[in-house]
Order: sequence, then C-alpha cells, then structure tokens
Amino acid sequence: EPEVTQTPSHQVTQMGQEVILRCVPISNHLYFYWYRQILGQKVEFLVSFYNNEISEKSEIFDDQFSVERPDGSNFTLKIRSTKLEDSAMYFCASSESRYNQPQHFGDGTRLSIL
Amino acid sequence: QKEVEQNSGPLSVPEGAIASLNCTYSDRGSQSFFWYRQYSGKSPELIMSIYSNGDKEDGRFTAQLNKASQYVSLLIRDSQPSDSATYLCAVNGGNEKLTFGTGTKLTIIP
Repeated sequence: EPEVTQTPSHQVTQMGQEVILRCVPISNHLYFYWYRQILGQKVEFLVSFYNNEISEKSEIFDDQFSVERPDGSNFTLKIRSTKLEDSAMYFCASSESRYNQPQHFGDGTRLSIL
Repeated sequence: QKEVEQNSGPLSVPEGAIASLNCTYSDRGSQSFFWYRQYSGKSPELIMSIYSNGDKEDGRFTAQLNKASQYVSLLIRDSQPSDSATYLCAVNGGNEKLTFGTGTKLTIIP
C-alpha cells in the first residue's frame, strides 16, 4: 500500500539553527500538509500546499516557517531559526483531492531543540 | 474557535467486549469526520471516514454520525489487545485542515 515517507525520523538541533524536514507524499496525491504534535498534546494543523503554493496556514505557521516542493516528489518544511518550543513531532500528510478527503500521514519526524 | 472534544480516558475494556468512543464538535458546518488510531510514539493511522448521518461499518469498526447533535462515535467490536491505542477524532469543516481532538486512550484488558 502506498505510503507517505518522512526523513529524518529524529532530528536534534541547537536553538537558533535552521532545520529542514523532508517528506515524499503518496505519488498520485496532489494536496500536501504539515501538522505538528507537541508531546502529550493534540495534533495541530500547520499548513496545506497545492499546485506549488500555500493554500491555507494556521497561526502557528509564522515567518519562521516555510514550505517548498523542490522537485516532483519531495515536500519540505523549513524552520529558519528554531526555538525550544518548536520541539515536537512533525507529520506530513497527503490527500487525493482538496476537501473532505482522508489525509494519510507519514511516520513523522521527532524534532528536538536543545 | 472550532473545537473537537473527546474524553481523554483512559478507557479500559475487556478483551472481546465492545469499545465505544465518543467525539463532539463545535462547527455545525463540518462536513467530514475521521477516526485515526495512534499508537504511542507513532503517527495517526486512518481507520474510518464518515460523511453522512447514520452508521458506517468496516470489519470490527462502526462509525456513527449525528450532525444534528454534532456527535461522532466509533464502536470497536470484539476488542483485541492490539486495539490498545489512542483514538483521535478529526473533523474537516469544508476547508483543507483537519481539526483533531485530544484523543481517547483505550486499553484492552486480556
């Protein structure tokens, strides 16, 4: 069964450093998402992406965050200057179409900021 | 603020019994509803989706939706120890994001 893949599985970074999280969505999916889950808290939406542009973003997704589809398969989330509170699990998801469709999640990247 | 509420549990159910998980949502315009299973330290795994009032069955799982009451539930029949996990209710309001509840931790007791 096709799946969303994410790398790395665990990233440890010093506060203030830039970090890039990578995702390969399911191949025939056109809509891509990033969510995060701080330990013990709920899964929170960050951003959705379609046709090489952001289609929706949350209040969490401020100027320190950016997303990109650098080629035909990868989808990345960049955090420009990491803060301690960015420590979380980051999940990439994808779906076939835009609204009301199931989103399939990758295994996640655990980001630890020191 | 659109909210999705779940009882955090833990909910303990004997093996072989029916587990019943509940979820309420605040946005009356919500259009699609999903149940995800999340094992500790793992990612959400889609179990069920439901879009219209009534019941939807898939194997041992039944999702129930009542839009008038803004209520979604998940029933797990013949519960197995492998069903022990946190169950996340997620709601889509016709836009692109899923709004998740905090999840209900389910433990199946052998």
